[in-house]
Amino acid sequence: EDQVTQSPEALRLQEGESSSLNCSYTVSGLRGLFWYRQDPGKGPEFLFTLYSAGEEKEKERLKATLTKKESFLHITAPKPEDSATYLCAVGGSARQLTFGSGTQLTVLP
Amino acid sequence: EAGVTQFPSHSVIEKGQTVTLRCDPISGHDNLYWYRRVMGKEIKFLLHFVKESKQDESGMPNNRFLAERTGGTYSTLKVQPAELEDSGVYFCASSLQGGYTEAFFGQGTRLTVV
Repeated sequence: EDQVTQSPEALRLQEGESSSLNCSYTVSGLRGLFWYRQDPGKGPEFLFTLYSAGEEKEKERLKATLTKKESFLHITAPKPEDSATYLCAVGGSARQLTFGSGTQLTVLP
Repeated sequence: EAGVTQFPSHSVIEKGQTVTLRCDPISGHDNLYWYRRVMGKEIKFLLHFVKESKQDESGMPNNRFLAERTGGTYSTLKVQPAELEDSGVYFCASSLQGGYTEAFFGQGTRLTVV
């Protein structure tokens, strides 16, 4: 059974204080690892897809990396508008997404 | 371009009643998915349509749940009769291609069964 574990559950940062979110996974035949952002009362918003170990993708202050066992979402010099829940999901041979429980990020001004 | 739209945004029903949730995917997206998050748990897969056909319904919890996708356009998810444990947020997502391409999510329907 595919599993995704995200840590920490919650993270509070000062504006400009860089940090990383972790996503550990076990999956039968990784087809893709996905990062989503979710704001309160809204659906998940797609950020990145990573397909193979060593792959990296960037978008503004966010950078996602992937190894064979985990993925990191690095946030550089965050701003208050980056506050949200960040979700990690994997797509395996079952051809459906398995989500982690998310990391709730709060960036204080 | 309109995104994935779900109706209603909130629904409160009594145990034993019937509720129907609707999802309008992005136009042209053949792949439509239903997910749900129950309180304190992760988002879980329910089922996947390709056009009007059910590709995978392995996540449907029991036969009180019925999903349809008429003509390969919008989809409905009916819960009949609703139980307390059905409470949660139901998300719909659509994608142009199947597999592991980018999927766009709707805002969700919050279902409360009392």
